[in-house]
Amino acid sequence: SQQGEEDPQALSIQEGENATMNCSYKTSINNLQWYRQNSGRGLVHLILIRSNEREKHSGRLRVTLDTSKKSSSLLITASRAADTASYFCATSSYYNQGGKLIFGQGTELSVKP
Amino acid sequence: EPEVTQTPSHQVTQMGQEVILRCVPISNHLYFYWYRQILGQKVEFLVSFYNNEISEKSEIFDDQFSVERPDGSNFTLKIRSTKLEDSAMYFCASSEDRNTEAFFGQGTRLTVV
Repeated sequence: SQQGEEDPQALSIQEGENATMNCSYKTSINNLQWYRQNSGRGLVHLILIRSNEREKHSGRLRVTLDTSKKSSSLLITASRAADTASYFCATSSYYNQGGKLIFGQGTELSVKP
Repeated sequence: EPEVTQTPSHQVTQMGQEVILRCVPISNHLYFYWYRQILGQKVEFLVSFYNNEISEKSEIFDDQFSVERPDGSNFTLKIRSTKLEDSAMYFCASSEDRNTEAFFGQGTRLTVV
């Protein structure tokens, strides 16, 4: 079944460093979305990349998509302590009619000041 | 900036009781969703709703669950007879289209005792 899986499960870095998180999935997708979740809070939408796109930028975020490898990566450059959160990828199947997203387990990012 | 709002933020209920979780999606969005996240686990899709009917539902969304759009702005999730295992964070989301960004509310933490 289609599933987004992130790695690493946890990542600890120093402020100013870059953070890279990866996501793999199993079936054909229409798009892939990245979300951030602060502890116990809601999901904040970060970026959507469509299956015909290879790279997308938004501020300090850079997302890549490789449909041949069924994988995506999220790069946060010049990280800040405020970037500490869990990051999830979520995939929308090419075949789904209702807009359903399948979420991965997430990467817990800790940015130390 | 438009946002999805959910009420209440936290609800405690006794096992066997009915609960209604409420959501106000973003006003020009046409697709509405409910997801849940059991503590420490990943976000799971429950149901999508479009044009006043369910578009897709997961295996979790059994007969004890129902959704409704009672008026032009609210979208509700009803759990008829709550079980201990229904304890989770429930997220409402909405999107303009089934293949566009889905925006999530802050969630309702449901605790069944």
